[in-house]
Amino acid sequence: GAGVSQSPSNKVTEKGKDVELRCDPISGHTALYWYRQSLGQGLEFLIYFQGNSAPDKSGLPSDRFSAERTGGSVSTLTIQRTQQEDSAVYLCASSPIAGGLYQETQYFGPGTRLLVL
Amino acid sequence: GENVEQHPSTLSVQEGDSAVIKCTYSDSASNYFPWYKQELGKGPQLIIDIRSNVGEKKDQRIAVTLNKTAKHFSLHITETQPEDSAVYFCAATTSGSARQLTFGSGTQLTVLP
Repeated sequence: GAGVSQSPSNKVTEKGKDVELRCDPISGHTALYWYRQSLGQGLEFLIYFQGNSAPDKSGLPSDRFSAERTGGSVSTLTIQRTQQEDSAVYLCASSPIAGGLYQETQYFGPGTRLLVL
Repeated sequence: GENVEQHPSTLSVQEGDSAVIKCTYSDSASNYFPWYKQELGKGPQLIIDIRSNVGEKKDQRIAVTLNKTAKHFSLHITETQPEDSAVYFCAATTSGSARQLTFGSGTQLTVLP
């Protein structure tokens, strides 16, 4: 079946502009995560959504970052007034639920490579 | 919160040799430890995982060991091949609820032909 998809695959923007990054999780997966990966670095947690519960926004680096998940499926990560330090790969992942428990295994999309000039 | 440290940051081995990557974690409540492989330009892909109720798990040329007392776990790749060249990430989390994974900083593995 289809995996996690993200769009666009690449985005170049100018400093100060807003950008929207989209994630389509695997169908039926109720948990969705956003991570940021700077060049040559590990993955930095940003936010996650679990079902209808309030999202965990504890990893968002500033109030310029926000995310929403509509209808329990597609998610959009928005970065307002982009800065050069926002340049990174933004990865989305999703997890299923089984037996009433969220499963730990996360399935990642290919990422969106953001470059802020 | 959880802190995961990974070593080495880079590792070069000759084709056919073994490779070992080590991680330590800080939260004794962590009980799920996946390993991801990330090839250039792609997202991380799960290659193997282990839960805290077992000490070792093997899948063909890949194995993971876990020492709960010392709070460290390792990835072992035997008979390495050029296609094993990638960045490998370890991670840790607690099971039972949707929790973000805490990742190590990654190991760039290069298998020399």
